[in-house]
Amino acid sequence: EDQVTQSPEALRLQEGESSSLNCSYTVSGLRGLFWYRQDPGKGPEFLFTLYSAGEEKEKERLKATLTKKESFLHITAPKPEDSATYLCALTTDSWGKLQFGAGTQVVVTP
Amino acid sequence: SAVISQKPSRDICQRGTSLTIQCQVDSQVTMMFWYRQQPGQSLTLIATANQGSEATYESGFVIDKFPISRPNLTFSTLTVSNMSPEDSSIYLCSVGSRSYNEQFFGPGTRLTVL
Repeated sequence: EDQVTQSPEALRLQEGESSSLNCSYTVSGLRGLFWYRQDPGKGPEFLFTLYSAGEEKEKERLKATLTKKESFLHITAPKPEDSATYLCALTTDSWGKLQFGAGTQVVVTP
Repeated sequence: SAVISQKPSRDICQRGTSLTIQCQVDSQVTMMFWYRQQPGQSLTLIATANQGSEATYESGFVIDKFPISRPNLTFSTLTVSNMSPEDSSIYLCSVGSRSYNEQFFGPGTRLTVL
């Protein structure tokens, strides 16, 4: 059975304190791994899609990487506005049906 | 990126009633998806809505409970039927980009069933 596991469940950071979130998966035929940011009361905001091991993508203070078993979302020198829940999801079909992990809640304090 | 709107943004409903949620996209898309996010949980796919054919439901979700319409390439509705408090959730629609390498979500509909 396909599984997506995110860790840690919650992360509290000081402003400027870099850290990484983990998304591990067991799936046959990965077609894409997605990262989203979700603020309270809002829909998920698309960040990245990764397709193959070794791939990396960056956006501002965020960098996503992918191996054959897991993906990391690195947050460099975070600011309070980076506080959110970060969701990892994967798809194994060509249409993009997503299976989500439970998410990591990140709080960045000044 | 696609601009997606949902109506209503939130509602409080009585047990046994039904609510229809609308999802409108600013461009034509082939596939639309409906997800549920229960309180404190992550997202779970309910069904895939393809224009011109019946929706495809995921395990644990049935058409009688969650009927879906997809009358054209920019619009879809999800109905939550015969509601119970367990249906209290955020319901979200999403669409893929033309190449399916991005997927965008609407703002969600927060449903509370009393």
